[in-house]
Order: sequence, then C-alpha cells, then structure tokens
Amino acid sequence: RKEVEQDPGPFNVPEGATVAFNCTYSNSASQSFFWYRQDCRKEPKLLMSVYSSGNEDGRFTAQLNRASQYISLLIRDSKLSDSATYLCVVNERVGGGYQKVTFGIGTKLQVIP
Amino acid sequence: DVKVTQSSRYLVKRTGEKVFLECVQDMDHENMFWYRQDPGLGLRLIYFSYDVKMKEKGDIPEGYSVSREKKERFSLILESASTNQTSMYLCASSPRTGAGNTIYFGEGSWLTVV
Repeated sequence: RKEVEQDPGPFNVPEGATVAFNCTYSNSASQSFFWYRQDCRKEPKLLMSVYSSGNEDGRFTAQLNRASQYISLLIRDSKLSDSATYLCVVNERVGGGYQKVTFGIGTKLQVIP
Repeated sequence: DVKVTQSSRYLVKRTGEKVFLECVQDMDHENMFWYRQDPGLGLRLIYFSYDVKMKEKGDIPEGYSVSREKKERFSLILESASTNQTSMYLCASSPRTGAGNTIYFGEGSWLTVV
C-alpha cells in the first residue's frame, strides 16, 4: 500500500461547481498535513495546512479524519483559475526531531467554462 | 518571502556527462531536499540533508550524489548522466523544528539527457 494515496483524476468540473478530493495515508503516526497546488510545469506551492478541527480559507475547506486516516479538500464555486494539480502532503516526525515528508501523486482538476 | 533558487532551469546534456544542479535558499533552513518529478509517478525523493555536510538517501538515490558544504547550498550531482534521468528536478527547503513546517520549492530544473 502506498504511504499517501490520491486519485490522479482528472476531475473535469464546470465553473461554479463544488468539487472534493480525498487523500488517504497509511501511517497513523503522521503528524501534520498539507495541500499543495501545482500548476502545469511549475513548482508546487502551499495551498493550505490541514488542522484537526478543519479549516477554511475562502472557497477552500480542508478536513482531517485521523480515525480513518484521510484528509480532504473541498473547493466551492470553482473558477477557471483553480485548474491545477492538488498534492496531498503528509509529515511525520522521525528520530532527532527531523521530518519525513511524503507527497501524494496529485489530483488533476480541470475547470471547464 | 522564502526564496529557493535553482540556477539552471533548462539543461540538455549528453549521455555520460557529469551534471551539477545547484540550489540555494535564503531563509537559513536546516532541511534541504532534492526531488524528481515524472508524469504518473509524482514527486520522488532523491536525497535530503538535515545539516551542513550531512546527507541521507531518499527513495531513489541510485545514479545521484549530493553535496552540502554550506547551509544555504545543496547540490545534486549526476556522475554519469543517462537518458532515464531526463526529468524535472525540484529542490526544496524547510526549517527543522517540528513536523509541521512548510516545504518551499524552487522553480525546478528541466533536464534532458540525449
């Protein structure tokens, strides 16, 4: 089983739609979670951290379910500019206070006019 | 803003050549990473470093080596480039403390080996 699993998509949705992505992780000791956005031929950039209580940033909502070991990203009122690949990132602390960072393969979103 | 700079953005090299990819970060981060990204495979960790002169193998270190002589600089070396090393290479850095620290990426280096 992969450490971090995502559906690669693509998810093709019309403008204005609501779309949700899930990401599952295998290590229950994982400590922190993020969503990154990557545009075509660009580097990944932090979209938002994911907190246990859930958090929202404008049209974006992130949720963490530790019991089921998944995180989710909800995008409301999709814009054309939301078209990108969304990477799930899981951090765990290893010996010495260092972090092991694992990326999902990414979910591609295409918002259609 | 954190800046991670990869000086070589686009390179074309011949099979067997030695290739250096340089990465510099300006935020005094302890951790630095080299990834490669290929279609359908996602980001794969090649090497990482938690301190000066320190290096650890990632998931796919074969055919690569690294150097970290200064805290701000982390170099990836392809000793003898091969066509299967054609890829986008991403350098990243993050502060050490805790497991919740953001990773910042450079813009990527596109390497083609012919």
